[in-house]
Amino acid sequence: QAALTQPSSLSASPGASASLTCTLRSGINVGAFTIYWYQQKPGSPPRFLLKYKSDSEKQQGSGVPSRFSGFKDTSANAGILLISGLQSEDEADYYCMIWRSRAVVFGGGTKLTVL
Amino acid sequence: EVQLVQSGGGSVEPGGSLRLSCSASGIMFSDYALTWIRQSPGKGLEWVAAFYSGSGQTYYADSVEGRVFISRDNADSSMSLLINTLGGEDTARYYCTATVAGRWPVLDYWGQGTVVTVSS
Repeated sequence: QAALTQPSSLSASPGASASLTCTLRSGINVGAFTIYWYQQKPGSPPRFLLKYKSDSEKQQGSGVPSRFSGFKDTSANAGILLISGLQSEDEADYYCMIWRSRAVVFGGGTKLTVL
Repeated sequence: EVQLVQSGGGSVEPGGSLRLSCSASGIMFSDYALTWIRQSPGKGLEWVAAFYSGSGQTYYADSVEGRVFISRDNADSSMSLLINTLGGEDTARYYCTATVAGRWPVLDYWGQGTVVTVSS
């Protein structure tokens, strides 16, 4: 079982909110980790969006709008990227990441469609 | 403006070797941690290797340990990734990234990527 699991796809309407989940494998406690989120559009390298460990330990990437925010759902052992006020330009692949056991680990990515 | 310019990709036969390069500008290169990430066609991101700035420590993904070697030349503001014993699983676009000092493991800057195709 992969360390980080993301739904392969998600669709949402313009103006709505989208909640992208990154579920950590049982035994990997989300509370102990900082979750990093990246956005990748076709033909481009990924871009750092934000990192979230707690409300007091979070950071937005340079130039990333505040409508992108991070949270945790400890009951689900998951990190969440919330995108509010969806715009067509938000259509992209989104990857979560952690640093664990001296290795960078990525989730499989979620393809967000805005339609 | 920060730029990471990559070179060295191409088509290689199985079992061969390839060296990828990444040249940086616009940053104090020696202060940055460096990472290689790859992405197989139509697939997700996979971390390959990292080189810390201060300690000089290197880290490798289990999937490539022993076949891959990351190196850096601070005087030249460049880094390389040598991949030996290439197999089909190594076919991917390879990205170099740079992390601002103190921000590890945020991958702040990315190169444009270079494609490696392993095929006979």
